[in-house]
Amino acid sequence: TQLLEQSPQFLSIQEGENLTVYCNSSSVFSSLQWYRQEPGEGPVLLVTVVTGGEVKKLKRLTFQFGDARKDSSLHITAAQPGDTGLYLCHAGGTSYGKLTFGQGTILTVHP
Amino acid sequence: ETGVTQTPRHLVMGMTNKKSLKCEQHLGHNAMYWYKQSAKKPLELMFVYSLEERVENNSVPSRFSPECPNSSHLFLHLHTLQPEDSALYLCASSQGGQGYGYTFGSGTRLTVV
Repeated sequence: TQLLEQSPQFLSIQEGENLTVYCNSSSVFSSLQWYRQEPGEGPVLLVTVVTGGEVKKLKRLTFQFGDARKDSSLHITAAQPGDTGLYLCHAGGTSYGKLTFGQGTILTVHP
Repeated sequence: ETGVTQTPRHLVMGMTNKKSLKCEQHLGHNAMYWYKQSAKKPLELMFVYSLEERVENNSVPSRFSPECPNSSHLFLHLHTLQPEDSALYLCASSQGGQGYGYTFGSGTRLTVV
């Protein structure tokens, strides 16, 4: 069951621009993670958020968990070509059957 | 060696072949997972082994068979696959489950001909 909707699906920007990726659901989750995946590799965990309204920063990346723990956003400031990749959100539920990933956002940052 | 290691990285097999994918984690995690990643589709959870308990996605065909001999090793046995099974198969581990962060391997790119 697709519980998470990511938007946009594709994002092509120039180096130095800012961007935001969204991850939305109608369900409440106990935690949410963001991953980045490069071609030919597995996803790499960027951050886990667990508290409604929580904001975490990782260098130029800012992650926010919605107050109701149903949605999250990833904001990148001054994007660089090294940020290029597939960004995935993943949420934990109450049982393994409810674990789910969003369909991903493919980000391309042009020099 | 640290992290999650998957072998082989690439595999081409015929529909009548039997092959196995291997995953090994050196992180001391107590849960291991198999995920399938197909083009234009979200990551699909196939199997979970947590504290020696197996949980599976009921939509996974029986031609995929997991094996977890201990907490560090996970296998996916493949038998009479179909071309639509071609995908990237990812192994992951976590300490605890239910939404804790995963450590993924680099995956096995499987092509069924």
